[in-house]
Amino acid sequence: GNSVTQMEGPVTLSEEAFLTINCTYTATGYPSLFWYVQYPGEGLQLLLKATKADDKGSNKGFEATYRKETTSFHLEKGSVQVSDSAVYFCAFDIQGAQKLVFGQGTRLTINP
Amino acid sequence: NAGVMQNPRHLVRRRGQEARLRCSPMKGHSHVYWYRQLPEEGLKFMVYLQKENIIDESGMPKERFSAEFPKEGPSILRIQQVVRGDSAAYFCASSPERGRSTEAFFGQGTRLTVV
Repeated sequence: GNSVTQMEGPVTLSEEAFLTINCTYTATGYPSLFWYVQYPGEGLQLLLKATKADDKGSNKGFEATYRKETTSFHLEKGSVQVSDSAVYFCAFDIQGAQKLVFGQGTRLTINP
Repeated sequence: NAGVMQNPRHLVRRRGQEARLRCSPMKGHSHVYWYRQLPEEGLKFMVYLQKENIIDESGMPKERFSAEFPKEGPSILRIQQVVRGDSAAYFCASSPERGRSTEAFFGQGTRLTVV
């Protein structure tokens, strides 16, 4: 069935550290892939997306590359900031449907 | 332009009571989606509605749960005779047109606690 597996949290890093949050998916067809972010007390916001294999999505210093061969979409950032502390969700859309399949979320805390 | 508005933000209900969760989509959006997040889990799709129509309710529990999106007013997710297992965060999202679910904008969620 359709599912997303992402790195379990919580993840705690120091400011300016390198970040990787792993995400792998199981899907039929050719889904689009997404990372959403939820800051404390707020709703989910789309962080970045990629719609086909080898596409790289990027935003606010975050990057993720659509890897069809490994069914992965790992989120990376070279130098994190305290303001990046949030919960990050990996997701994909089911082709032909109007719904998203989410991972369980990874809580990230950045210490100064 | 206000974002997706959900209310209440927090709702406490006793077992057996009814819970009503409201979602006002962004201005100009006619498509609404409801998702549920159980503790320590990801968001799970529940239902997709357009004005006065339920398009996809494949994620809705078969009993006690219903949703509507009337011509006027907010979308309502109704849970009758709540049980402790209904405790979760319920998120609403809206989008302006069909085929663009990926451009949906999410509300802040309603956290339902059943005691």
